[in-house]
Amino acid sequence: DVKVTQSSRYLVKRTGEKVFLECVQDMDHENMFWYRQDPGLGLRLIYFSYDVKMKEKGDIPEGYSVSREKKERFSLILESASTNQTSMYLCASNTRGGWGDTQYFGPGTRLTVL
Amino acid sequence: QQQVKQSPQSLIVQKGGISIINCAYENTAFDYFPWYQQFPGKGPALLIAIRPDVSEKKEGRFTISFNKSAKQFSLHIMDSQPGDSATYFCAASRRWGGSEKLVFGKGTKLTVNP
Repeated sequence: DVKVTQSSRYLVKRTGEKVFLECVQDMDHENMFWYRQDPGLGLRLIYFSYDVKMKEKGDIPEGYSVSREKKERFSLILESASTNQTSMYLCASNTRGGWGDTQYFGPGTRLTVL
Repeated sequence: QQQVKQSPQSLIVQKGGISIINCAYENTAFDYFPWYQQFPGKGPALLIAIRPDVSEKKEGRFTISFNKSAKQFSLHIMDSQPGDSATYFCAASRRWGGSEKLVFGKGTKLTVNP
């Protein structure tokens, strides 16, 4: 079974803190993605990576950065957390190429910024 | 901006009824249309997907109907069960930079009453 794990299920941080969200996949997938999910807004892509040390901005990259030093690990960084970054964060991965490669999602991290 | 419009936002169906969720897209370059199912506390998981060269795909009680000329596709859940209660996301993807980015609809919360 494909497994995507996220370091925390729930996280509470204060405004201005630096926040790290970690994601690990065990299927040797080339592509990894970070989304945020908000009620009524669906899933919005923050960043994705198609190879180690490679990254591309998604639709809402402002206020976020990412790091991919190893193939299996993709980190989302909030340099200075703000209350409007309170959200559910979902990590996903899939293989590159082909048609219709399923994205496998982790269980999510619910981040609250106070 | 690439968009996928999904409706309704919420849906209540009686057990045994038919649930129908609709999506419309704008970009004719999209070539893959998956539906994801998300239960509370879990990440989304692929339910069923279709390519634009077919008009319908059925897997058990779940059917995707695709209308290329109208740029619309829909999910039909026959004989809906309380266990189908979840949030459903339609999505579409296009080739970009060697990977497939999914553009998601905003989701439909389905409740199936016993």
